[in-house]
Amino acid sequence: AQKITQTQPGMFVQEKEAVTLDCTYDTSDQSYGLFWYKQPSSGEMIFLIYQGSYDEQNATEGRYSLNFQKARKSANLVISASQLGDSAMYFCAMRELDAGGTSYGKLTFGQGTILTVHP
Amino acid sequence: NAGVTQTPKFQVLKTGQSMTLQCAQDMNHNSMYWYRQDPGMGLRLIYYSASEGTTDKGEVPNGYNVSRLNKREFSLRLESAAPSQTSVYFCASSEWTGEGSTEAFFGQGTRLTVV
Repeated sequence: AQKITQTQPGMFVQEKEAVTLDCTYDTSDQSYGLFWYKQPSSGEMIFLIYQGSYDEQNATEGRYSLNFQKARKSANLVISASQLGDSAMYFCAMRELDAGGTSYGKLTFGQGTILTVHP
Repeated sequence: NAGVTQTPKFQVLKTGQSMTLQCAQDMNHNSMYWYRQDPGMGLRLIYYSASEGTTDKGEVPNGYNVSRLNKREFSLRLESAAPSQTSVYFCASSEWTGEGSTEAFFGQGTRLTVV
């Protein structure tokens, strides 16, 4: 079963508008971490935002916010005021306890969403 | 600030050849990872090492071996390369500090082609 599911292969948004990229996850751990990364066409992986499972408030980093709905197991990324430079692949990821249950090892990524920002 | 350094950046192998991808980090992180990225598949975890001296299989370990040489270095070996292993490979490292996790830092990637 997929641990991280990103159901939108591609998304389009007009410059200066907001866009939401969807992410759902599957875990039985009580403590876990959720991440979003951006991968521009140059290929590097850029960290955007982190949400801990016990964080009661949604994480925000500048124009990025994470809409965390724990009961629904969703961790959607909201980008406000889109810019042309936001055009890239976006990945959702989850870090869980390892098989021994004593340390956080496994970091699993979704399939990604390609975001295109139109002028 | 070197961060995570992967070598080589590009490699072409013939089917059946072997090679080792090297990865080193200078951030004193405990956890290190190897991923492969294929179109439409996202990043798939090959192997990871939660701490020095331990390694565990990820989603797609077949055809690969790893070595956590020390805290800094985590290598990925292809013993007998196959065309299905043509991909972009990323090494990453991270640290977990209780509820405050640091993000994973990635290398620049290795583009491997097996012909």
